[in-house]
Amino acid sequence: EPEVTQTPSHQVTQMGQEVILRCVPISNHLYFYWYRQILGQKVEFLVSFYNNEISEKSEIFDDQFSVERPDGSNFTLKIRSTKLEDSAMYFCASTQDTEAFFGQGTRLTVV
Amino acid sequence: AQSVTQLGSHVSVSEGALVLLRCNYSSSVPPYLFWYVQYPNQGLQLLLKYTSAATLVKGINGFEAEFKKSETSFHLTKPSAHMSDAAEYFCAVSLPGRRALTFGSGTRLQVQP
Repeated sequence: EPEVTQTPSHQVTQMGQEVILRCVPISNHLYFYWYRQILGQKVEFLVSFYNNEISEKSEIFDDQFSVERPDGSNFTLKIRSTKLEDSAMYFCASTQDTEAFFGQGTRLTVV
Repeated sequence: AQSVTQLGSHVSVSEGALVLLRCNYSSSVPPYLFWYVQYPNQGLQLLLKYTSAATLVKGINGFEAEFKKSETSFHLTKPSAHMSDAAEYFCAVSLPGRRALTFGSGTRLQVQP
C-alpha cells in the first residue's frame, strides 16, 4: 500500500538553528501539506502546496517557514531559525482527491 | 471559517460496549467531514469521510458516522469496542474546493477489559 514517508522520525536542534524536515508524498498525488501538533494540542494546518507553489497557508506559517519540492519526489519544510515554541510533531500529508494520507511524523525538539 | 468541537477529551468504555465519540462542526457552507485515528507514535489514519453523498458513512474497523445537518454533528460510533480501538480520534472538516483540514482537539479512547 502506498504511504507517505517522513525523515527523520526525531530531530533535536538548538534554538536559532535551521532545520529541514523531509517528506516523500505518494507518487501520483498532486497536493502536499504540512501540519503540526504541539504536545497535548490539536493538529494544526501550516501550508498546502500544489503545482510547485503554495496554494494556502495559515497564520502560523510565517517568514521563518518555507516549503520546497526540490525534485520529483521530495517535499521539504524548512524552519530558518528555530524557536523553543517550534517544538512539535510535524506531519506531512498528500492527497489526490478528498482523502489526505499522513506520514508518521517528525518529532522536532528545540533546546 | 470552519471549526470543529469534540466533546470529551477522554472517553472510557468497556470491551464490547458501544463507542460514541462526539463531533460538532461549524461551517458557512456544507463541509466535508472526516474522522482520523492516531495510534501511539504513529501518524493519522483515515477512518471514514463524508463528502456530500450518503449521510451514514461506514469506515474501517467497524466504525461508522452519521452526518446530521440539523444538529451540525458527525458523531463516530462502533457497536462493540475492542481493546485494539484504544487510540486518539480526531474529527476534521474541510470546505469543498479548499483542501486544508481543520482538526478538533481529539478524544482519547480507553477500552477497559
